[in-house]
Amino acid sequence: DVKVTQSSRYLVKRTGEKVFLECVQDMDHENMFWYRQDPGLGLRLIYFSYDVKMKEKGDIPEGYSVSREKKERFSLILESASTNQTSMYLCASSLLDRGDTQYFGPGTRLTVL
Amino acid sequence: GNSVTQMEGPVTLSEEAFLTINCTYTATGYPSLFWYVQYPGEGLQLLLKATKADDKGSNKGFEATYRKETTSFHLEKGSVQVSDSAVYFCALSDLGAGGTSYGKLTFGQGTILTVHP
Repeated sequence: DVKVTQSSRYLVKRTGEKVFLECVQDMDHENMFWYRQDPGLGLRLIYFSYDVKMKEKGDIPEGYSVSREKKERFSLILESASTNQTSMYLCASSLLDRGDTQYFGPGTRLTVL
Repeated sequence: GNSVTQMEGPVTLSEEAFLTINCTYTATGYPSLFWYVQYPGEGLQLLLKATKADDKGSNKGFEATYRKETTSFHLEKGSVQVSDSAVYFCALSDLGAGGTSYGKLTFGQGTILTVHP
């Protein structure tokens, strides 16, 4: 059974803190993605990676960075958290082909106070 | 650029009613089209997909047909159940500049469906 796991379901941080969100997939997928989900806006792509150590900006990369040191793990980093980064964060993975299904983790609900 | 537009929600239906959620898209090439569903407290999961024009995706009683002439991929179900209450997302994956998209998806804003007994 395919699986994408995220390190936390709920996270509360203070403004200015450095925040790490971890994502692990066990399907040997090349692609990994980080999205944020906000009501009325759907899912917006923050960053993605198509190989180890490779990363590409998505639609809303400002205020975020990512790291992919191993194929199965993709981390999202908020260097200095701000209240407008309060959101649901979803990680996904897929094979390389554009027609392939993305498999999603359960999400991390981040609140920045 | 690519975009996906879904019908405004929320949608509220009684059990056994017919469901249609409209989805139209704009893409520069020949996209693959998807419907994802998000049940309360969970991540997204694939409901169905179609990779070329006139293909019909189907799963769990849901269907959607890839209509290139109307750039649409409307989701339908003949008889909804309470357990279908969820958020439904239409999405597309298209080749980007340089001929690859790495499977990036462009999502619609989501449609909340509530089914009452």
